[in-house]
Formats: sequence, structure tokens, C-alpha cells
Amino acid sequence: EVQLVQSGAEVKKPGESLKISCQGSGYSFTTHWIGWVRQMPGKGLEWMGIINPGDSDTRYMPSFEGQVTISADKSISTAYLQLISLKASDTAMYYCARLKVASTDYFDYWGQGSPVTVSS
Amino acid sequence: QSVLTQPPSVSGAPGQRITIFCTGSDSNIGAGYDVHWYQQLPGTAPKLLIYDTTNRPSGVPDRFSGSKSGTSASLAITGLQAEDEADYYCQSYDRSVNANYVFGTGTKVTVL
Repeated sequence: EVQLVQSGAEVKKPGESLKISCQGSGYSFTTHWIGWVRQMPGKGLEWMGIINPGDSDTRYMPSFEGQVTISADKSISTAYLQLISLKASDTAMYYCARLKVASTDYFDYWGQGSPVTVSS
Repeated sequence: QSVLTQPPSVSGAPGQRITIFCTGSDSNIGAGYDVHWYQQLPGTAPKLLIYDTTNRPSGVPDRFSGSKSGTSASLAITGLQAEDEADYYCQSYDRSVNANYVFGTGTKVTVL
């Protein structure tokens, strides 16, 4: 069974950094890209970026480039989302999801989400 | 802001049929890209509901169906049930923006 298990809830202060993890199991981790999706409170889904765990090739949505860093450690089947210099507006739920490459790619399995609260 | 527009809310009585539209443009749906749909039950992660415009993953009831025409796609739910109350998002690919994976604005379905 494919599973993506994310790290737990975080409460941070403005200016701090944070690294969220997403561990995959039940499939070959290096054969599927992993994406990160943000959902701000009461809002919709926003794609942030994706990584190929096999070679760490990474693509970012322009509005997130420079604000986040996506990485992966294939030896432990884990992808990471690092948020730097946190602001209150980074308060959100962050999801990782496995990308299914198709004629139009889609996300076929999702992690349970990692809630992040940024508050002074 | 999303390039795929959905109505903020749709409601229906149990047993009814409802349709959620996802309106795009010539750079995404109209360019021939498939549309996928996700269901997000309250307090949970999104779940793939429809892929490649019309296909259902294993375990998704056949009450859910998808289609597209021109620059729009739609998700139909027939025989609406209380457990269908959730947020629904469409997703496609857009060749005009660097953010290739685009989600719709989301639709809250309420079962009356």
C-alpha cells in the first residue's frame, strides 16, 4: 500500500526556519516525483514545487522560488520542504503528494498534511 | 490567483444530481490537457477522485463522473449522499505559466 507520512504540527516564531518531512513507503521512492502543496486556512490548493528523489531535480512555482527549498534523501525515502524566514502568512497546511506522470500529470497519493503555525 | 475557476459552492438534496464546472482557457483545458479532480473531506487531505478527465481510481463510486468540452470540464455527482459533503478541486496543466500544475479555486458541496 502506497503511503506518504508527514511530520507533525509545528509552531514557530516569525523569522525562524522549518523543515517538514514526507516519508514514502509501499513503492519505489525514486521512481516518482514528489510534490508539495500549500493550503492556507480556509483557502484552496497551491502547488509549490516538485522533486525527483532519484536525482534531486527540482522545479518550483515562481512565487515560491527563493522562499522554500525542496530536497530529498532517497536512502530513507524521504522528501523535505524547508521554509525559511517564516512569516505569519506562512501559516498553512502543507501536503506532500506523489506525482503520477501522465499525458497530464496528477497527484495520486497524498500525505496527511503538516500544519504550520507562525506566530509571535 | 488560479487560472481554473470553479463556483465557490454547489448544493443539492440527497439523491439529486449536481455538477461542478471548472472553467479554464486555451492555455490549459482548451489546449487539450486532461483534467483531474480531488475530493477533500472536512479536516482531511485531498484524495484523487477522477483522473485523466473521465477515469475513476479503484474504490471511487461510479456516482462520480467527469467530462470536458472546450475550455471547461465538469464533475457530476449523481445520487448525492451526505458523505459527499466536501470540497472539490479540479487540476490540470497550463502551458502559459511557469507553474505548470494548476488547481481550480475549489467548490464546497453541501448536501441539504
